[in-house]
Amino acid sequence: QSALTQPASVSGSPGQSITISCTGTSSDVGGYNYVSWYQQHPGKAPKLMIYEVSNRPSGVPDRFSGSKSGNTASLTISGLQAEDEADYYCSSYTSSSLVVFGGGTKLTVL
Amino acid sequence: EVQLVESGGGLVQPGGSLRLSCAASGFTFSSYSMTWVRQAPGKGLEWVANIKQDGSEKYYVDSVKGRFTISRDNAKSSLYLQMNSLRADDTAVYYCARDRSRIVYWGQGTLVTVSS
Repeated sequence: QSALTQPASVSGSPGQSITISCTGTSSDVGGYNYVSWYQQHPGKAPKLMIYEVSNRPSGVPDRFSGSKSGNTASLTISGLQAEDEADYYCSSYTSSSLVVFGGGTKLTVL
Repeated sequence: EVQLVESGGGLVQPGGSLRLSCAASGFTFSSYSMTWVRQAPGKGLEWVANIKQDGSEKYYVDSVKGRFTISRDNAKSSLYLQMNSLRADDTAVYYCARDRSRIVYWGQGTLVTVSS
């Protein structure tokens, strides 16, 4: 049950777009369309931003989008805003019926 | 309004035990699988354990298998995590969460510190 691989950090200026990758294997990301993305601000519980690869829960801005190709999923944030600065985690269902998270990516809005 | 309130965290010595509880309200508890997720200080999220709606199936990450036991009481709308043989690397905030992989609802977390 190895953690999914995410870049440690990404940054962008307000209004720009950024993409965070999440790489797994055919036993998790590549094998199932059960990839989720979470946003976490310091000291707060995570917030679900994307589920089942590309679906947004109600209330999440359409600036947030998800996709998947092979064993790699991606979260794209367009029109970057200051409040988007946070840690982002991907997760995937696995062939062992467990769920594995990525190591997390710190997004800095310059 | 969905609420998940954890309790039971605290300071425990290595090798000790602790039982976490999560009181759920605002939804039909027996209709949802429930999950524990933890986060070590300054580290990422780690999915720990999940239990099906009726408690018939339980799933654990390898690092806690044989030491932690997840359980639930649907009559009391409560989720539990019995943690035995605790180690320093079990130190973390433990979150109670509804569902297994599409987690919309999280508790506020309870801190478990394993230290002598």
